[in-house]
Amino acid sequence: ETGVTQTPRHLVMGMTNKKSLKCEQHLGHNAMYWYKQSAKKPLELMFVYNFKEQTENNSVPSRFSPECPNSSHLFLHLHTLQPEDSALYLCASSQEASSNQPQHFGDGTRLSIL
Amino acid sequence: GQNIDQPTEMTATEGAIVQINCTYQTSGFNGLFWYQQHAGEAPTFLSYNVLDGLEEKGRFSSFLSRSKGYSYLLLKELQMKDSASYLCAVRDSNYQLIWGAGTKLIIKP
Repeated sequence: ETGVTQTPRHLVMGMTNKKSLKCEQHLGHNAMYWYKQSAKKPLELMFVYNFKEQTENNSVPSRFSPECPNSSHLFLHLHTLQPEDSALYLCASSQEASSNQPQHFGDGTRLSIL
Repeated sequence: GQNIDQPTEMTATEGAIVQINCTYQTSGFNGLFWYQQHAGEAPTFLSYNVLDGLEEKGRFSSFLSRSKGYSYLLLKELQMKDSASYLCAVRDSNYQLIWGAGTKLIIKP
């Protein structure tokens, strides 16, 4: 139990579907992150929220839309995805975005695009 | 560009010692992290180095040389449960984490 919960664990969707990934952290942290993890590639940072404000968007296509209603919850809304978007999507949290404290990760959502 | 290099895969024997190296070239340096990730699970934090030298934590130790842009993770008395991927990450001048692709460690009996 890492204190960061992601749902669903697995998701299969067609390219025209709309779905959302959910992340919840119970650690009292103020920063939350979305990462993409593809096989044999480094983690790719997608979005960063610090105290509910988006501070980073690493040139992510608009078919990925994040939402952070409060410091404990983070969503990733998906729309008209492409086959190359199939990957493991990891959520993480930390005390603050610029602190030297480690990030804590959820188990991820394994996304498959048909 | 920024780059983190670590071996793709390593194999070691149960009970032995293994060293996983990580070299980095980043714009600035604000600390280096090691994480362990078992297949299908979350990466979990192992160690943090910001000053040169060795940090020991039980069977695991991590070393840093900032002048050489080099770190290693040392695992002693290997157990089968240590089979996992080990991720090296450096925090750059913008406090962003730059990640390596990970080293898959296979432990054989």
